Amino acid sequence: NAGVTQTPKFRVLKTGQSMTLLCAQDMNHEYMYWYRQDPGMGLRLIHYSVGEGTTAKGEVPDGYNVSRLKKQNFLLGLESAAPSQTSVYFCASSSRPLESTDTQYFGPGTRLTVL
Amino acid sequence: EDQVTQSPEALRLQEGESSSLNCSYTVSGLRGLFWYRQDPGKGPEFLFTLYSAGEEKEKERLKATLTKKESFLHITAPKPEDSATYLCAVQAGSGGYQKVTFGTGTKLQVIP
Repeated sequence: NAGVTQTPKFRVLKTGQSMTLLCAQDMNHEYMYWYRQDPGMGLRLIHYSVGEGTTAKGEVPDGYNVSRLKKQNFLLGLESAAPSQTSVYFCASSSRPLESTDTQYFGPGTRLTVL
Repeated sequence: EDQVTQSPEALRLQEGESSSLNCSYTVSGLRGLFWYRQDPGKGPEFLFTLYSAGEEKEKERLKATLTKKESFLHITAPKPEDSATYLCAVQAGSGGYQKVTFGTGTKLQVIP
């Protein structure tokens, strides 16, 4: 099993450009998440999905959109990139059985720089 | 608002020098506390889940404990390969989606 994979690993954008980050998991997990990690701020949840075809806002959703058309994939889009979106982005997934705890498994991350 | 605070921010140990990392939390309705390890340039790697006060879990040189207000990650006789950032996270709430809140981590450096 590859676990959680993310593409691309690195990307440099100019202000105003758009891009899509792809996350894929092969563990048949229902829940998927997108986080950003910035120095001194910990992991912050951007959007999440509780199943195929569903999405919901997390803690810092502004400027991002997501889609979950297939259970194994979760896409994060930036429509008009801003320097404040320079960060490391992590995707995670979990099986999250009902009324159980949420052990999340993370991908390797995408380092995004917006100039 | 749920809060998770980790201390110290950074810790430098000599190889073999045991110590503890702290994770204090303020949440309503704790469902679980997680410890992750993160190596530079990589995603967090799951270590432990603790569910209730008094619970302990061990893995090699690591031992995690939980009280009603904090968790400790004890590192016994650390080796250089234990160098990493250790993240704590808590899941809290009831019904529906239960938020997971991450701390900012403790960066551990073990010197040979």
